Amino acid sequence: EVQLVESGGGLVKPGGSLRLSCVVSEFRFTYAWMSWVRQAPGKGLEWVGRIKSRFNGGTPDYPATVKGRFTISRDDSKNTLYLQMDSLKSEDTAVYFCTTEPHFANWGQGTLVTVSS
Amino acid sequence: DIVMTQSPLSLPVTPGEPASISCKSSLSLLHSDGNTYLDWYLQKPGQSPQLLIYLVSNRASGVPDRFSGSASGTDFTLKISRVEAEDVGIYYCMQATQTPYTFGQGTKVDIK
Repeated sequence: EVQLVESGGGLVKPGGSLRLSCVVSEFRFTYAWMSWVRQAPGKGLEWVGRIKSRFNGGTPDYPATVKGRFTISRDDSKNTLYLQMDSLKSEDTAVYFCTTEPHFANWGQGTLVTVSS
Repeated sequence: DIVMTQSPLSLPVTPGEPASISCKSSLSLLHSDGNTYLDWYLQKPGQSPQLLIYLVSNRASGVPDRFSGSASGTDFTLKISRVEAEDVGIYYCMQATQTPYTFGQGTKVDIK
């Protein structure tokens, strides 16, 4: 069974940084494109970005809301996906999920990031 | 960005009765590879989202056949032939034809 386990969430002050991790097991991680999706408290789902497999260039894509502040990376040797979040704002407060592509067939349980002074 | 608009936003249902959710995209979701990247997800209370339907009409593994998806141009529909109590939650459509991927606002389904 595919498992995704996120970690690294917590309380951070506005302007601060945080790095989330997502460890993936029982899945061909090396070949997978991976995405991050977030959900603010009581709100809907928002795509935060993705990273292609290294076979497809390993390049990331981001929506305008996080571009220039968030960086997605991966370590295929550790089956791990990362989300580096800098210059955090209060509106970045959310549960962050990692998910596999295509079609987001597998999700982690999410990790809560709270940006507050 | 492609805007996805769902309706209704709230849907009280009666077990055993059919239910339908609409999702409209602001642009065509037909990709240059010939696929239409429109998925449906269900987020049950307190859980992570789960994939129901991919590529408009393909049920994900383990999804009951009472769920079906269809399309007409930029209008997409998720149908539940006979609602069961376990189907309550928030349903989202999402397009992955072009980045940024975008979700609909969500449709909350609960039992009358």
